[in-house]
Amino acid sequence: KAGVTQTPRYLIKTRGQQVTLSCSPISGHRSVSWYQQTPGQGLQFLFEYFSETQRNKGNFPGRFSGRQFSNSRSEMNVSTLELGDSALYLCASSFRMGNEKLFFGSGTQLSVL
Amino acid sequence: AQTVTQSQPEMSVQEAETVTLSCTYDTSESDYYLFWYKQPPSRQMILVIRQEAYKQQNATENRFSVNFQKAAKSFSLKISDSQLGDAAMYFCAYRPGSARQLTFGSGTQLTVLP
Repeated sequence: KAGVTQTPRYLIKTRGQQVTLSCSPISGHRSVSWYQQTPGQGLQFLFEYFSETQRNKGNFPGRFSGRQFSNSRSEMNVSTLELGDSALYLCASSFRMGNEKLFFGSGTQLSVL
Repeated sequence: AQTVTQSQPEMSVQEAETVTLSCTYDTSESDYYLFWYKQPPSRQMILVIRQEAYKQQNATENRFSVNFQKAAKSFSLKISDSQLGDAAMYFCAYRPGSARQLTFGSGTQLTVLP
């Protein structure tokens, strides 16, 4: 069974641009969560999607958004990039919402110049 | 708000020896879960072990075990017979039963010396 797949692995953008990151969950998993990892702030929860609906959101500005498709694949978008958005963005999937067994992908490393 | 504290930024252990990583947390919830995740250089977070707060018995997964002290809000990870492949960043994480997101500690970088 394939694991959680995140694309791209690396991304370089400049301030003011926008970016879209993709996450394909494990087959059969319907919940997708996103986390931001930075050296300063550590790992922080962004949002969770289940059945194409955002179910939970962390404390991030509205520039951070996401969506989930009918096949459970998810994308997150960051608009008007700032230098502080440079981070590793991790996606995790689980069979159902609130399931404590989260399976993570290898992340997308975003660098904002 | 819940917080998770890992007071050891770095730890090292000799191959085949035992090491214990510390974690404390703060919560007013009675129903919650605790986890240890491992993040190797590949960056993928891998679940090592989990503990349900209502279970008094400490969780064990092969060479990994926890010491869960609920009253003290302490959740340490013991790695026995350490292997080179255990070298990674280890994160302690908490999730209340009523919520869905994980709160992570700051991590402990474990080095395994041959």
